[in-house]
Amino acid sequence: GESVGLHLPTLSVQEGDNSIINCAYSNSASDYFIWYKQESGKGPQFIIDIRSNMDKRQGQRVTVLLNKTVKHLSLQIAATQPGDSAVYFCAENKDTGNQFYFGTGTSLTVIP
Amino acid sequence: DAGVIQSPRHEVTEMGQEVTLRCKPISGHNSLFWYRQTMMRGLELLIYFNNNVPIDDSGMPEDRFSAKMPNASFSTLKIQPSEPRDSAVYFCASSLFGVSYGYTFGSGTRLTVV
Repeated sequence: GESVGLHLPTLSVQEGDNSIINCAYSNSASDYFIWYKQESGKGPQFIIDIRSNMDKRQGQRVTVLLNKTVKHLSLQIAATQPGDSAVYFCAENKDTGNQFYFGTGTSLTVIP
Repeated sequence: DAGVIQSPRHEVTEMGQEVTLRCKPISGHNSLFWYRQTMMRGLELLIYFNNNVPIDDSGMPEDRFSAKMPNASFSTLKIQPSEPRDSAVYFCASSLFGVSYGYTFGSGTRLTVV
């Protein structure tokens, strides 16, 4: 029979355009968030993080925005390149420990 | 630094057999995490250790799963007996708790139970 799996949101962008990937998190008490990038056949790789006392944080070509009111995170990638094609996950730190819980991910495809 | 090292990269086993997955965290890291990734459930946290002590194993699916960390440089995840629904990619990650929360993941072990 047909297997049922997660319906991974997908995003296709032209090379050079900006990408915006969104994530809704679950726990209003979460105080730390990380975006990870996972390429095919590899483990997730840290991209950028943000704490709940911030609304915005910028890295090299990436910006993370945090809206605590609606429990929403976004990752903006400037001048998207083919090497940015991957699945992107947001992860939240819900508890006082250091374990993170991951969202379902968004698949980004960059069209040359 | 070689990063987090997992072995084997691929494992194919028959239902009912015991499977042992291995992980070597980054030297100096004091936290270690085991995750499972499937299409059905995404990335699930199974168990994590701080300073070799299991802190939270609430994500371990059932008693067939067990994890150990006998020292700071080695951890195992064991499945006995294995079942086809255990087929997944299993990731190990480590971090330096109290300094940096960002994980470093290994390349994963792709387990297929037939």
